[in-house]
Amino acid sequence: DAGITQSPRHKVTETGTPVTLRCHQTENHRYMYWYRQDPGHGLRLIHYSYGVKDTDKGEVSDGYSVSRSKTEDFLLTLESATSSQTSVYFCAISDFVSGGGLAGPRKQFFGPGTRLTVL
Amino acid sequence: DAKTTQPPSMDCAEGRAANLPCNHSTISGNEYVYWYRQIHSQGPQYIIHGLKNNETNEMASLIITEDRKSSTLILPHATLRDTAVYYCIQLQGGSEKLVFGKGTKLTVNP
Repeated sequence: DAGITQSPRHKVTETGTPVTLRCHQTENHRYMYWYRQDPGHGLRLIHYSYGVKDTDKGEVSDGYSVSRSKTEDFLLTLESATSSQTSVYFCAISDFVSGGGLAGPRKQFFGPGTRLTVL
Repeated sequence: DAKTTQPPSMDCAEGRAANLPCNHSTISGNEYVYWYRQIHSQGPQYIIHGLKNNETNEMASLIITEDRKSSTLILPHATLRDTAVYYCIQLQGGSEKLVFGKGTKLTVNP
């Protein structure tokens, strides 16, 4: 299994409080991602990173910010949590498939998830 | 929105082959077909991907039709641990934005 950990694994917080979720990898992969998963919506991409300090928005980025100051860590911050952000959050990593290059396929490897409840 | 279509559910007997179909009729020449699965409460797991040719790895085989408009994921000897939701995704090479649809819920029965 790819070396991906997420912390915390479970968190309960109150509306309006800031929350930071951490994703840590030991694979030295270039790309990192944050997804959320909700019933009826499947997994949706929030933000991703293609290198240190290089990030871009995904499908559902409103209300979230990210930072990547080191290759191994990708942080997801909810500046002021709302009940609609109650979800399971998954981190993923990927890199070029051997021989694939920039335009080639990727394999994404997912972490165990963080269950966040905003009351 | 997901660009692929899959049956919502399938059943398979333990030890038999599980054949999961996927329709990707809008696929373009530089888009790959990926398969992932998600076992209850866990993060999705990469299974296999292909472009034009059939592919096989230690987990599964991927059969892509000649016109590339559909594919089949084959788990040759399904076990109870293969019970999961299976996602078929078409994605341009070099793109980061996996779009997960609803997938197929595969139940392997003893």
